[in-house]
Amino acid sequence: NAGVTQTPKFQVLKTGQSMTLQCAQDMNHNSMYWYRQDPGMGLRLIYYSASEGTTDKGEVPNGYNVSRLNKREFSLRLESAAPSQTSVYFCASSEGGGSYNEQFFGPGTRLTVL
Amino acid sequence: AQSVTQLDSQVPVFEEAPVELRCNYSSSVSVYLFWYVQYPNQGLQLLLKYLSGSTLVESINGFEAEFNKSQTSFHLRKPSVHISDTAEYFCAVSEASGNTPLVFGKGTRLSVIA
Repeated sequence: NAGVTQTPKFQVLKTGQSMTLQCAQDMNHNSMYWYRQDPGMGLRLIYYSASEGTTDKGEVPNGYNVSRLNKREFSLRLESAAPSQTSVYFCASSEGGGSYNEQFFGPGTRLTVL
Repeated sequence: AQSVTQLDSQVPVFEEAPVELRCNYSSSVSVYLFWYVQYPNQGLQLLLKYLSGSTLVESINGFEAEFNKSQTSFHLRKPSVHISDTAEYFCAVSEASGNTPLVFGKGTRLSVIA
């Protein structure tokens, strides 16, 4: 099992460009999450999908959109990138949406917006 | 809503010395508590969790944490650290009765010095 995979690993964008971060999991998990990690800020939830077909905003959703393509895949789109979106992005999944479930994390995407 | 405070952003400690990483939480309802670890250039992985029952929980690599409801704390301890424990540690909380996502603290960077 690969667990949670993310592509790309690194990306540099210019202000105003768009891109999609891809995430896939092979653990048959129902719930998936997108976080951003910034120095001294910990992890902040951008969007999550408790189950296939549903998505909800997290703490910092502005400037992002998500798509739960199927049970395996959950993508994050930046329509018009801004320097404030320079960050490391992590995707995670869990068996269910229950708050007791362990989350499994991908290796991250390091995004720089110039 | 829940919140988590990790009182130390950085903790340097000599190899084989004991360490305590502090975590306090705030919530008006019962909670589940977690510690995640992030090794350099990797995603997060679960270290241990408290859901119910015994207030002392242990990990497979010698860490332990104790849930203290009266002090709203969930401090992480290890009696003797190794170089390989160098990592960033995140405390997280979620509502026990709900379906809410995790809320993470800002992290504590543990540096073990030879």
